[in-house]
Amino acid sequence: QQQVKQSPQSLIVQKGGISIINCAYENTAFDYFPWYQQFPGKGPALLIAIRPDVSEKKEGRFTISFNKSAKQFSLHIMDSQPGDSATYFCAASIGGAQKLVFGQGTRLTINP
Amino acid sequence: ETGVTQTPRHLVMGMTNKKSLKCEQHLGHNAMYWYKQSAKKPLELMFVYNFKEQTENNSVPSRFSPECPNSSHLFLHLHTLQPEDSALYLCASSQDQGRNSNQPQHFGDGTRLSIL
Repeated sequence: QQQVKQSPQSLIVQKGGISIINCAYENTAFDYFPWYQQFPGKGPALLIAIRPDVSEKKEGRFTISFNKSAKQFSLHIMDSQPGDSATYFCAASIGGAQKLVFGQGTRLTINP
Repeated sequence: ETGVTQTPRHLVMGMTNKKSLKCEQHLGHNAMYWYKQSAKKPLELMFVYNFKEQTENNSVPSRFSPECPNSSHLFLHLHTLQPEDSALYLCASSQDQGRNSNQPQHFGDGTRLSIL
């Protein structure tokens, strides 16, 4: 019930394409859903986050889509660039952002 | 440049050694965290400290002993570790503002720990 399942494990996208990473959860008490980006040799950094009272949130080229009934949320990266190549983690928590439960991560490679 | 600094960046130790990982945050935050990141596994929350008090221990073996002397510093003391403890250990901090506070966690770059 505390798991967050993330797919795919790895993804290769051409420059300019759309990258899509999906996450699913079971615990309906989760009420905060962030995405983190991690470059090699660096710690994760918050990219964008959403609460379940909205179905979509957009920040620049990054969009979170949230489907409460399906208990799924996804990250869309528009116009993907080589600099977006990194590992992306979805996460979920209850009652705040402290006790985050992370997905397994997706290694994204953007080919030039 | 990260506001959360972890030292050392790399550590190799034997199973009988005692060592400590250090984390320092320069962001004025009041909460600090330890995570374990293993290959092909999700980041695992280990400990949470709020205002220097431990508020979460995620069933971590006693060979890992955290210490938080003040809101800016966090240590992880290691003793009699096992090979499966080899991983990247990440420290994070945040400004906790009570329940439903969604202040982001800021991560350090981690300590890569190898147990021989």
